[in-house]
Amino acid sequence: KAGVTQTPRYLIKTRGQQVTLSCSPISGHRSVSWYQQTPGQGLQFLFEYFSETQRNKGNFPGRFSGRQFSNSRSEMNVSTLELGDSALYLCASSSDSYEQYFGPGTRLTVT
Amino acid sequence: AQSVSQHNHHVILSEAASLELGCNYSYGGTVNLFWYVQYPGQHLQLLLKYFSGDPLVKGIKGFEAEFIKSKFSFNLRKPSVQWSDTAEYFCAVINQAGTALIFGKGTTLSVSS
Repeated sequence: KAGVTQTPRYLIKTRGQQVTLSCSPISGHRSVSWYQQTPGQGLQFLFEYFSETQRNKGNFPGRFSGRQFSNSRSEMNVSTLELGDSALYLCASSSDSYEQYFGPGTRLTVT
Repeated sequence: AQSVSQHNHHVILSEAASLELGCNYSYGGTVNLFWYVQYPGQHLQLLLKYFSGDPLVKGIKGFEAEFIKSKFSFNLRKPSVQWSDTAEYFCAVINQAGTALIFGKGTTLSVSS
């Protein structure tokens, strides 16, 4: 099976802009989770979707949002970018949330 | 709220040395625990997991971990490390709702040949 894919792999944006990141889960997986990885805060949970419904959301501001489509592909959006949003954004897919398989991530740099 | 603590921020070992990385979690109920590894330039990979049953779990690449409920611990071990084990290691627990992984801050392992 193909693994989790994320696009784009690298992104440079300016403060105030918005960005959309995409994630395609492993075939058959209906749960998609998003995490932010930074050197200071480590890996932090953003949100989780299952069958197009957000089941859980981490402690991030409303500028961070996401959605999941009927084919289980997911997108996350960050509006009004801040310098502190620079991070590696990881997507993980799972058939049941318990065992999650991670993609390579999208490296976002905000200047 | 649940939390995970990894006590060692950076561990430096020589090849063939034994490894033990500490991990403690905060939740006292039923837990599902994981160790993930992130090799330089690669994505997070699952090393091993504990859901229930035998508290000594074996994972890939010769790694094992022991779940000790009384100590709220899930330490990772390997009898003899190799240079290729140089990576960052993350301990994680699934949250009570079963929908999110809560990670420790990670331990960077550097193995010299």
